[in-house]
Amino acid sequence: ETGVTQTPRHLVMGMTNKKSLKCEQHLGHNAMYWYKQSAKKPLELMFVYNFKEQTENNSVPSRFSPECPNSSHLFLHLHTLQPEDSALYLCASSLNYGYTFGSGTRLTVV
Amino acid sequence: KQEVTQIPAALSVPEGENLVLNCSFTDSAIYNLQWFRQDPGKGLTSLLLIQSSQREQTSGRLNASLDKSSGRSTLYIAASQPGDSATYLCAVPQTGANNLFFGTGTRLTVIP
Repeated sequence: ETGVTQTPRHLVMGMTNKKSLKCEQHLGHNAMYWYKQSAKKPLELMFVYNFKEQTENNSVPSRFSPECPNSSHLFLHLHTLQPEDSALYLCASSLNYGYTFGSGTRLTVV
Repeated sequence: KQEVTQIPAALSVPEGENLVLNCSFTDSAIYNLQWFRQDPGKGLTSLLLIQSSQREQTSGRLNASLDKSSGRSTLYIAASQPGDSATYLCAVPQTGANNLFFGTGTRLTVIP
């Protein structure tokens, strides 16, 4: 484990479902991130939270909704997703310049 | 916008060989560069963080160099092992923001 824990590890959901991804860190980091990794593409930043305030929303569709209740927890709420949203979703945290990533949630939308 | 390129996209070497992975970036105004390793279907593991004031950073068999003026970094792996097989990603931070720009990675296979 890296210190950043993501659950679930795998998720299969239908296009009409609502689900949530969870990320947790107890490293004392003050920033948390959601990244999307699709095949053959660089990691794409989705959202950034600094001290639980959202500082970046990288033009992400509204069917993805982040929530950061405190500096240690980050959620990504999903609803009415499309098959092209199938990807590996990675959570990361940072303090100053060092980043720590979780193991990711492999999401499949059917 | 910063663009990060990694060459080659894939590399296959016999065990024991030394190898070099390349990373280039378009905006040289960076304050650090980070190399990560990713195993299939897994998250990223940080390997080395090299500050803009440094030219090299070493960890075991890994050595990363940084040449800001030319927009390049290399990751040198000595005496490669099958366990080194993974995708290697380099990333640079966005100036004035909490974000990393990633390359598409080099997929390394070390053949026993």
